[in-house]
Amino acid sequence: DTGVSQDPRHKITKRGQNVTFRCDPISEHNRLYWYRQTLGQGPEFLTYFQNEAQLEKSRLLSDRFSAERPKGSFSTLEIQRTEQGDSAMYLCASSLGEGTMSEAFFGQGTRLTVV
Amino acid sequence: GIQVEQSPPDLILQEGANSTLRCNFSDSVNNLQWFHQNPWGQLINLFYIPSGTKQNGRLSATTVATERYSLLYISSSQTTDSGVYFCAVKTSYDKVIFGPGTSLSVIP
Repeated sequence: DTGVSQDPRHKITKRGQNVTFRCDPISEHNRLYWYRQTLGQGPEFLTYFQNEAQLEKSRLLSDRFSAERPKGSFSTLEIQRTEQGDSAMYLCASSLGEGTMSEAFFGQGTRLTVV
Repeated sequence: GIQVEQSPPDLILQEGANSTLRCNFSDSVNNLQWFHQNPWGQLINLFYIPSGTKQNGRLSATTVATERYSLLYISSSQTTDSGVYFCAVKTSYDKVIFGPGTSLSVIP
């Protein structure tokens, strides 16, 4: 296992279409996070899972966004009815830990362009 | 919510120079990480440093949690050090919050 894997690396879609991204965390990492990063900004938290439970969602995550981690392993992030403002880099991270003292590792991201 | 500030926002260095990047945070944190984001967008872990001092080659970091700041030192900078450096903190709610980053350019 070489790290957090995200697929696809790049996605171009027309406005109004639905898109789905996948994240495979580091094996045995129980926590998984999704972030969004726009040009010139730091990553912004979207949501996080502990095992299969989605424990927190940001206000940035509108009702067009949904994330799942059905078996506590890989996760998917779906955006419905994409808008141009959804264009960004979507980053996934994972960590291992029961408490808050755990190091997060990031994938290479999925760059979404909505045209 | 917690605020994370980084300074300077931009930095240009001559190759071989040293620099110090600063991260201030507004509340108690449970851990802190420094990342380097390369031109392809990959976030590379530099340090996991909730407190104390760590060194890794030309890089070192110090976190003084009681005073709510962390410093990243880069010595003998190289062109490959260019990119954006982020400080990220984790609060008791287990959410990792990123600062705005310091954009570093090292010129030959």
